Amino acid sequence: GAVVSQHPSWVICKSGTSVKIECRSLDFQATTMFWYRQFPKQSLMLMATSNEGSKATYEQGVEKDKFLINHASLTLSTLTVTSAHPEDSSFYICSAETKFPDTDTQYFGPGTRLTVL
Amino acid sequence: QKEVEQNSGPLSVPEGAIASLNCTYSDRGSQSFFWYRQYSGKSPELIMSIYSNGDKEDGRFTAQLNKASQYVSLLIRDSQPSDSATYLCAGGLYNQGGKLIFGQGTELSVKP
Repeated sequence: GAVVSQHPSWVICKSGTSVKIECRSLDFQATTMFWYRQFPKQSLMLMATSNEGSKATYEQGVEKDKFLINHASLTLSTLTVTSAHPEDSSFYICSAETKFPDTDTQYFGPGTRLTVL
Repeated sequence: QKEVEQNSGPLSVPEGAIASLNCTYSDRGSQSFFWYRQYSGKSPELIMSIYSNGDKEDGRFTAQLNKASQYVSLLIRDSQPSDSATYLCAGGLYNQGGKLIFGQGTELSVKP
């Protein structure tokens, strides 16, 4: 149980374009999902907390107008990187929270590798 | 300041040995702790969660929590080359909507 998927697994785009990443909880409902970014050889950096039916909460320093998050249902959250630039190239990972096996636990999707040319 | 600290390693152990990974945290508001394993180029995978003082065992893995000392550890018995990965320790902040605070990770290398 507690499987999270992400799509696409990798994407290459031109500078200035927008990219949408989907995060789905496949076998459970997730009121809360999280979006992280990870640069090579660094730990995960939380970008925002996504709650179903409400606005996302962004971490300090993360531009909410650049990283648009929509949590439209209990199984789907999306992250749109708008007007992407090379410095946005990174590994984007989502997680979904559920009480499995015994406490609130985050399960991670497989990640999306974004390369902006 | 809320922090989770880990030895960055790399930690190298021979195959079959016990690998000991350690983590300290500074926020007494953290109630639950998690160990994730991350292979190079992949996303984190949950290994263990623990929220009560003491030991919790799952197969070859044992997590230990000491809230008085603000210390969490993960023991891997009979280490295998396939255990070679970065291990992330994380503390859950339930007064902040379930956010996790991650340590920098400890790189483990198990030599055949």
